[in-house]
Amino acid sequence: QKEVEQNSGPLSVPEGAIASLNCTYSDRGSQSFFWYRQYSGKSPELIMSIYSNGDKEDGRFTAQLNKASQYVSLLIRDSQPSDSATYLCAAQFDNYGQNFVFGPGTRLSVLP
Amino acid sequence: KAGVTQTPRYLIKTRGQQVTLSCSPISGHRSVSWYQQTPGQGLQFLFEYFSETQRNKGNFPGRFSGRQFSNSRSEMNVSTLELGDSALYLCASASRRTDTQYFGPGTRLTVL
Repeated sequence: QKEVEQNSGPLSVPEGAIASLNCTYSDRGSQSFFWYRQYSGKSPELIMSIYSNGDKEDGRFTAQLNKASQYVSLLIRDSQPSDSATYLCAAQFDNYGQNFVFGPGTRLSVLP
Repeated sequence: KAGVTQTPRYLIKTRGQQVTLSCSPISGHRSVSWYQQTPGQGLQFLFEYFSETQRNKGNFPGRFSGRQFSNSRSEMNVSTLELGDSALYLCASASRRTDTQYFGPGTRLTVL
């Protein structure tokens, strides 16, 4: 069974600090990985996608992928209170069965 | 390019009734997936449609059904509503089955 796991949190960091969010997945056939941000009562919005091993940076966000360890992470630098939300990790598996699987999400709280 | 739209945004029904929710994907997108999200729960996959065919289905009872039209618009139907069906129903579209999913604003269903 294809699974994506995350710590549910809450993860609390002070304003200006680096927030580190982690995700593991069960299927080595996974090809693409995504981070979504979801504010309370709203729908998920895409932050970043990553397909290759290594780091990918976009502004204050850096996604890291290690396929050998089946591990994906998201770093948020200079965290702001507006970053307080639930962060969902998703994996796109091989094209059979449900091919887009979401983790349960990690709730991040950035304290002013 | 317009985003994913869902109608209605809010819905209140009573137990035993049925409901139909609508999703219009981003122009050119042919894949539509539906998810249920309840408080404290992650995204629970309902089903995925591509080119008018249901490609995958999650572990939901047969009361939940859907369809996709030739213009890629999709509807989902829930019959014989139960209190536990109260949730945020999210639709996501992608240009292909293996591409990034983009979410609509959701329909919040309350069953009384």
